[in-house]
Formats: sequence, structure tokens, C-alpha cells
Amino acid sequence: GEDVEQSLFLSVREGDSSVINCTYTDSSSTYLYWYKQEPGAGLQLLTYIFSNMDMKQDQRLTVLLNKKDKHLSLRIADTQTGDSAIYFCAEIPRGDYKLSFGAGTTVTVRA
Amino acid sequence: DVKVTQSSRYLVKRTGEKVFLECVQDMDHENMFWYRQDPGLGLRLIYFSYDVKMKEKGDIPEGYSVSREKKERFSLILESASTNQTSMYLCASSFSRGSPYGYTFGSGTRLTVV
Repeated sequence: GEDVEQSLFLSVREGDSSVINCTYTDSSSTYLYWYKQEPGAGLQLLTYIFSNMDMKQDQRLTVLLNKKDKHLSLRIADTQTGDSAIYFCAEIPRGDYKLSFGAGTTVTVRA
Repeated sequence: DVKVTQSSRYLVKRTGEKVFLECVQDMDHENMFWYRQDPGLGLRLIYFSYDVKMKEKGDIPEGYSVSREKKERFSLILESASTNQTSMYLCASSFSRGSPYGYTFGSGTRLTVV
């Protein structure tokens, strides 16, 4: 199966930028996703990027995709306390419909 | 506005009990999934279904079964609950193969087996 890897923890000061990194192994993935999980809740789709794109920006969120290195990142500008959550990177390999998730990065925003 | 509903947020069951976790979606999605989430392990796929009465094993099906009698409902069954099945269980659905919108998740059921 495919493996999606993320670092487990990130601490960031309020107002700074957060960068969460992810590596994946299936180069055939059509879409790559970032999900957010707030405490006690399910996962919420934050954003996704199609594999033929290098970058996608959506308000405070910037997704960068480096297909050569199979590297995906999520940058959150002006990080707020409400951004404290677990962030999951996920991919769907071409022709499949099952998401493969990373272990999740717990982001803690400190004042 | 809730689209994937899991019947319970918290459950406490005894070892050996048969446990039913229910999930309902109102988006007419074809695919439904059950995951369990444990700290440091991320989400692990238990079972999934791509059509009514169809089911396929995920990565960790042992000790679980599923039922999908209607398109909107996907049930996870723990035949004989054990303490190592204490976990957060997440249900999700998706429209079709190749959809860019990924999954829609329920809020999760935190199951404790004592």
C-alpha cells in the first residue's frame, strides 16, 4: 500500500506562519488533500490540490506540491488559536477511491 | 446541515458484548467507510462499501463486520468487544471514484470497552 508520512507535532506562536509537511509515495495520485480535526470532532476537508498543479491558495492557506520529491506542504498564514488541531495529509491513488492518510500533525498555537 | 451522522458520540461497553455503531449519510453517496483513530497511528481503514450490500475489508478488519442494507446506512459491528477495540471510530462517505472532494466525515464515536 501507499505510505503517507508527516511529522507528529508542531508548535507555533500566534500570528506566525505554520508549515506542515507531508511526503507520499504513490506518484499516480490524482488528488492530494489536507484535513483538519478539531478536538473531539471528525475530520473536515480544508483544501485539496490536483496533481497537475504546483500551488493552490485559499485565503490564509497555501498548498505547495512538489511531484518530483513527492512532497506536499500546507502553510497557514497568521496562525490563530482556532487553528490548533490535528492536520492530516491524504492521497487518492489514480483509479482508486480510498484515501490513504498520514498519521496527522498536531499543531499547537501558543500565545 | 449535518451530512454524515454517527448515532452515538460516546459509548461504554463491556468486554464480550456485541456492539453496533451506526452511520447515516444524506448525500446519496455511493461509498462509505469505517476507520478507527488511535494516537500516533492516524486513521486505519476497517471496512468499506462501494454499493448496497457490497463490502470490502480494509487494513484491520479482524474482530469487526459491517452491514449495508440501504445506500444511506453503513453499520459497523463488533462481534465480541475487547479492550483493544477501545478507540475513536470515524465513518465517512464519498460520492464516487475519482471525486476531488474526498470524504465527508461524521463526528466520530468514542468507544470504551471495559
